Amino acid sequence: QKEVEQNSGPLSVPEGAIASLNCTYSDRGSQSFFWYRQYSGKSPELIMSIYSNGDKEDGRFTAQLNKASQYVSLLIRDSQPSDSATYLCAVGDSNYQLIWGAGTKLIIKP
Amino acid sequence: NAGVTQTPKFQVLKTGQSMTLQCAQDMNHNSMYWYRQDPGMGLRLIYYSASEGTTDKGEVPNGYNVSRLNKREFSLRLESAAPSQTSVYFCASSEFQGQTEAFFGQGTRLTVV
Repeated sequence: QKEVEQNSGPLSVPEGAIASLNCTYSDRGSQSFFWYRQYSGKSPELIMSIYSNGDKEDGRFTAQLNKASQYVSLLIRDSQPSDSATYLCAVGDSNYQLIWGAGTKLIIKP
Repeated sequence: NAGVTQTPKFQVLKTGQSMTLQCAQDMNHNSMYWYRQDPGMGLRLIYYSASEGTTDKGEVPNGYNVSRLNKREFSLRLESAAPSQTSVYFCASSEFQGQTEAFFGQGTRLTVV
């Protein structure tokens, strides 16, 4: 069974520091990778998508993809209390199915 | 631009009752999905529609049926609700299944008593 794995956390990070969230996937043929943020009681909202190896930056967020290691990460610079949420990793596998990780709970401490 | 709209937002059902959750998207997306999310857990796919006219079972389809009414609308029906179906339900859509970003509706919080 194809899997996407994330550390459930909680990951506690001081305000202003860099938060690093990680995700591994099992299907080597996966082609599309997404990070979502979900606040408690709310629906997931897209933060970033990444399709090619390397880094992709958008404001304070950087997604990193390494297909050889089957690893995708999300860095949040200058973390703010408003970044406290659960972060979901989703991977589009070789059968065009979107496989979801269970999420990492991030807590930013003021 | 409304994106993905789900109705209702909240619902309480008695065991054995039926109901339909409605979902509509205005982004001209081909693919639509229904997920459930239980407390502290990830998203589980119930059914999906890769394109208008097709529907397929996901990970947890038992007890549910779906209809892709047209390109915009994808409904989820519970024929005989059970307490195990108490959950938050999310509808989502994407331009192409598994390849492009998915966008979510606000969710429906369903309680079956």
